[in-house]
Amino acid sequence: DAGITQSPRHKVTETGTPVTLRCHQTENHRYMYWYRQDPGHGLRLIHYSYGVKDTDKGEVSDGYSVSRSKTEDFLLTLESATSSQTSVYFCAISEGLDAYFGPGTRLTVL
Amino acid sequence: KNEVEQSPQNLTAQEGEFITINCSYSVGISALHWLQQHPGGGIVSLFMLSSGKKKHGRLIATINIQEKHSSLHITASHPRDSAVYICAVVLQGGSEKLVFGKGTKLTVNP
Repeated sequence: DAGITQSPRHKVTETGTPVTLRCHQTENHRYMYWYRQDPGHGLRLIHYSYGVKDTDKGEVSDGYSVSRSKTEDFLLTLESATSSQTSVYFCAISEGLDAYFGPGTRLTVL
Repeated sequence: KNEVEQSPQNLTAQEGEFITINCSYSVGISALHWLQQHPGGGIVSLFMLSSGKKKHGRLIATINIQEKHSSLHITASHPRDSAVYICAVVLQGGSEKLVFGKGTKLTVNP
């Protein structure tokens, strides 16, 4: 199995609080992605990174920021969580034609 | 219009039936992934295709690059095949971004 982990796996938080999700890889892949998965919408890209300190927005980036200070870690931050950000968040990594997915983080914002 | 369209959105079959899930895309790609997600589970890559056909057990995936279309077939379906099947394409060009279809929910009844 590819070395990609997410932490935490589950989190419950309150509206207005900051939240940071971590994606960690041991594959040294160049590309890392954050997606959210919601019923009726499928997987939607939030942000992605194509190298250390190189990031770009996806289709649903409002309310989210990311950082990648080293190859193996890609952080997703909700500066002030809202109930609409309750979702399952998946991290993915890719290099060339290979793609792997993390186990997901279930986030509930009350 | 979504860059990746899957059909059908939902599919119910009886055990033993032959199943086909379709994926059409409107962009240039370098590869296409078929992914599987069991209820409450993570995402697993079943196939990665850049041309032709691949077979693994009862699963067969085909791609026609000229027609921008791929199909996933399941022969002799079984209740354990019940899952969401997702088509994802790797965009051509520098980003190598993954773009997902919305998924097909398959239910196989005994």
